Amino acid sequence: AQTVTQSQPEMSVQEAETVTLSCTYDTSESDYYLFWYKQPPSRQMILVIRQEAYKQQNATENRFSVNFQKAAKSFSLKISDSQLGDAAMYFCAYRKGGANSKLTFGKGITLSVRP
Amino acid sequence: NAGVMQNPRHLVRRRGQEARLRCSPMKGHSHVYWYRQLPEEGLKFMVYLQKENIIDESGMPKERFSAEFPKEGPSILRIQQVVRGDSAAYFCASSPERGVYGYTFGSGTRLTVV
Repeated sequence: AQTVTQSQPEMSVQEAETVTLSCTYDTSESDYYLFWYKQPPSRQMILVIRQEAYKQQNATENRFSVNFQKAAKSFSLKISDSQLGDAAMYFCAYRKGGANSKLTFGKGITLSVRP
Repeated sequence: NAGVMQNPRHLVRRRGQEARLRCSPMKGHSHVYWYRQLPEEGLKFMVYLQKENIIDESGMPKERFSAEFPKEGPSILRIQQVVRGDSAAYFCASSPERGVYGYTFGSGTRLTVV
């Protein structure tokens, strides 16, 4: 069975600085997708970034980028120029390849941003 | 495009009552997934449905929980004889027929059992 581990329950970052959130996963599949979701206090789950396992290039979305280390099964999220609105819970998630399969989530990490 | 609509947003039930949670997928999406989020936990998969079919219910508790996605109308997650441990946020997500990437989530229903 696939597992996703987020070992840091909380992190804090100064506004405008950079923070990295860690995630590891375990799978025997060769084709899969990885995601980071943001959950603000409104509870809405917002997709931040995704990575296809077959792509060697790390995904980037504006201030958000990932460090995908396939051999190490590591998938960390880097947030640059942190903003107050980045404060939220962040969940790492895995889905095996192909269409329409379930997402497996980590326990999440609470990120606070200090003004 | 209204996105994934879940209602009610908050639901309070007394122990022993039934809870019905509704999810209308995004327009054009025919696949629905239900997840449960306990306090301080990530989302746990419960069930995956297509129209009129349950595809994967490996995360559903064996008793008191059921789900359906009829040909017409929203998907329903039904919890019979609720207990305090059922208190959680329940999320629905949807995807299109050949959904490859991340899914679109609703805002969730927070169920409180008193």
